[in-house]
Amino acid sequence: DSGVTQTPKHLITATGQRVTLRCSPRSGDLSVYWYQQSLDQGLQFLIQYYNGEERAKGNILERFSAQQFPDLHSELNLSSLELGDSALYFCASSVSSDPGNEQFFGPGTRLTVL
Amino acid sequence: AQRVTQPEKLLSVFKGAPVELKCNYSYSGSPELFWYVQYSRQRLQLLLRHISRESIKGFTADLNKGETSFHLKKPFAQEEDSAMYYCALLYSGAGSYQLTFGKGTKLSVIP
Repeated sequence: DSGVTQTPKHLITATGQRVTLRCSPRSGDLSVYWYQQSLDQGLQFLIQYYNGEERAKGNILERFSAQQFPDLHSELNLSSLELGDSALYFCASSVSSDPGNEQFFGPGTRLTVL
Repeated sequence: AQRVTQPEKLLSVFKGAPVELKCNYSYSGSPELFWYVQYSRQRLQLLLRHISRESIKGFTADLNKGETSFHLKKPFAQEEDSAMYYCALLYSGAGSYQLTFGKGTKLSVIP
């Protein structure tokens, strides 16, 4: 157990809806990263926050947004959901802002869009 | 565009046989490369990074800039090596970075 927690474990929703995924980093970690893993696209980096500020953006759609709160937990908001958004969403945390440092992954949230 | 290619979706080897998981990348600058592993029912975790030049669980990977490859090798496969392996490329520029993963290779070690 890496200490990173994600809720919920599973989420089933309909197209057009909006959902929020939550991530709590390991104690002491200031960076949170979000990833999407799907069958066709594989594992994709979405966005990183460091100590409350956006640090880097990857392949994140405009319909998606994230934030990191003062207690360092992070939320990923997915809106106007499409069937293709069905995927496993991981978050990871690390101590520093350097993405090359070891990241500790959470168990993921499986999103199913019907 | 920067890309990471893992040509094998599935690789099966017998226990005790050598293993090589291939990873090729396309990037013109100085990349950082990583191997991540996900064992069954476990979380994704870092296996090794090229700048540390270390051996983890008997695995090594050498960055070959000429061939733009970062293949993962182990001389004698063990059953516990069965897992999903992802190669990743990190490149920085203009105050930000991109982290790109390959689509993964599933390694199955046959007892």
